[in-house]
Amino acid sequence: AQSVTQLGSHVSVSEGALVLLRCNYSSSVPPYLFWYVQYPNQGLQLLLKYTTGATLVKGINGFEAEFKKSETSFHLTKPSAHMSDAAEYFCAVTLYSSASKIIFGSGTRLSIRP
Amino acid sequence: GAGVSQTPSNKVTEKGKYVELRCDPISGHTALYWYRQSLGQGPEFLIYFQGTGAADDSGLPNDRFFAVRPEGSVSTLKIQRTERGDSAVYLCASSFDGLAGETQYFGPGTRLLVL
Repeated sequence: AQSVTQLGSHVSVSEGALVLLRCNYSSSVPPYLFWYVQYPNQGLQLLLKYTTGATLVKGINGFEAEFKKSETSFHLTKPSAHMSDAAEYFCAVTLYSSASKIIFGSGTRLSIRP
Repeated sequence: GAGVSQTPSNKVTEKGKYVELRCDPISGHTALYWYRQSLGQGPEFLIYFQGTGAADDSGLPNDRFFAVRPEGSVSTLKIQRTERGDSAVYLCASSFDGLAGETQYFGPGTRLLVL
């Protein structure tokens, strides 16, 4: 069975600092991986996704993530945090054979200190 | 173009009552998904439609939950005999083909509170 673990339910960084949100997955076959962001009182928005090809994926708002098969990880990074990045971030996984289901992690709340 | 819309945005009901939640997907999207998000948790898959048919309903928690999509567009999630534990945000998403790795576009959700 596939699952997603997000380390740290809450991460706080200073404005301008590096953002690192950790995600590890469990899957018996190569998965498709996603990061979604949820701003307060808004719907989920796709930040980026990995399906095939280049393992370093660039997304919107300066975020990127790297698929590391050997570590079963898909950590999300941004070099310099902005106040507007404060939100809930969800890592998610799906399998090519199970297109219908996205399995989400429990989320990481990102706070930005001025 | 319009995104996924859901109505109502908020619904308060009493234990034991019946509720219907509506989802209007992006025009032209054949795949439609329902998820449930409890407080402090990530969304949890409920059901997936490909066109008019439910292709995967393995996430529905019990037979009090039912969903339809009669014309392959709008979908309604129906909950009978609501329980306090059903309180959550119900999210709807749609995608173009329902293929693996395809982006799912989410609506703002319906916040259901069962008293």
